[in-house]
Amino acid sequence: NAGVTQTPKFRVLKTGQSMTLLCAQDMNHEYMYWYRQDPGMGLRLIHYSVGEGTTAKGEVPDGYNVSRLKKQNFLLGLESAAPSQTSVYFCASSYSLYEQYFGPGTRLTVT
Amino acid sequence: DQQVKQNSPSLSVQEGRISILNCDYTNSMFDYFLWYKKYPAEGPTFLISISSIKDKNEDGRFTVFLNKSAKHLSLHIVPSQPGDSAVYFCAGRTGNQFYFGTGTSLTVIP
Repeated sequence: NAGVTQTPKFRVLKTGQSMTLLCAQDMNHEYMYWYRQDPGMGLRLIHYSVGEGTTAKGEVPDGYNVSRLKKQNFLLGLESAAPSQTSVYFCASSYSLYEQYFGPGTRLTVT
Repeated sequence: DQQVKQNSPSLSVQEGRISILNCDYTNSMFDYFLWYKKYPAEGPTFLISISSIKDKNEDGRFTVFLNKSAKHLSLHIVPSQPGDSAVYFCAGRTGNQFYFGTGTSLTVIP
């Protein structure tokens, strides 16, 4: 039982490049979330999903897209990376709207 | 606009004493609150939660208090242990979304 896993763990991008972050969970959870953590800002919700095939915007969705084609996977895409997207990205999942289980994070640097 | 605020970035406590971490919120639509603990280079892990219809929830050494009129919650850890040294985040829920505070770094001194 791996819980929530995130791929990759680290990535460096140049401005304008694109990439996809993968989140996978093996707990059969309905809800999945993408957050970013910046110094002095706490965790801020980017996008979330309440079930397979659904996505919704969170607090800071601009510059990101997501897809939930399979229940166990939640993908976060950056189409044209900007230095302001340098952050640590956390994925989380939950069975219901209670406690969330977080992945270990992806540290992204955009130069 | 930060809907959940943790005004103390850091806190140091002697081992065996009580740790009190505070959290204030502005959104009166929050109906559920959670505390998470985070070690460096790891994701947050759930610690304890409380519904907005309650004023106290206890789980072992951890107790969360909610004062709705003041829009304030606190986490008490008694007794504090060196392994409790971590960053603690509080979060509030409204609808399908969760809003997190900026975190308080707790250091428990042996």
